[in-house]
Amino acid sequence: GAVVSQHPSRVICKSGTSVKIECRSLDFQATTMFWYRQFPKQSLMLMATSNEGSKATYEQGVEKDKFLINHASLTLSTLTVTSAHPEDSSFYICSARPIYEQYFGPGTRLTVT
Amino acid sequence: GQQVMQIPQYQHVQEGEDFTTYCNSSTTLSNIQWYKQRPGGHPVFLIQLVKSGEVKKQKRLTFQFGEAKKNSSLHITATQTTDVGTYFCAALTSGTYKYIFGTGTRLKVLA
Repeated sequence: GAVVSQHPSRVICKSGTSVKIECRSLDFQATTMFWYRQFPKQSLMLMATSNEGSKATYEQGVEKDKFLINHASLTLSTLTVTSAHPEDSSFYICSARPIYEQYFGPGTRLTVT
Repeated sequence: GQQVMQIPQYQHVQEGEDFTTYCNSSTTLSNIQWYKQRPGGHPVFLIQLVKSGEVKKQKRLTFQFGEAKKNSSLHITATQTTDVGTYFCAALTSGTYKYIFGTGTRLKVLA
């Protein structure tokens, strides 16, 4: 099946700093990628849809200026958490859909101290 | 907005017992997908259901899409310890492009 990678897998940062998370589709092109957030023992909450070459579409309640998404190529989308705070600590997962099923990256666990 | 609820939230079963999780949507769906997430892992696609009343099987797993296309179920026969994880349904509403994930059912299998 299709492979989606994410980097880094874990990151610890200090409050007020920014963190960039990369999501890559390794063996297919993805014009659309999705970014999710998952709190412990909870479901996946869609944050935004990343569109190659255009602006991301954010879900209601997600701050665009805080979670910057860039989809510069057909295989790479990045999520930057700006001015991170402890409440931003979470598991961030990206996914891409080559046909109909979603393939998820392994996720990035962000801890903000 | 659209809500996708799953019941039960948790289920503990003895190895060899059957298990069922139910997924209910507040709106009619275009299709529904099922995913499994192992502890510490990421969701892995299991199957997609499209047709009203559709039933699909994968070895010990049976998936069903309701006649009204507003609910679905996943049934596991004779559970094994490898079935441990959280099972999510993901629902797609007609006219939209994004899947809404259900609340998930966490399955523990006791050996």
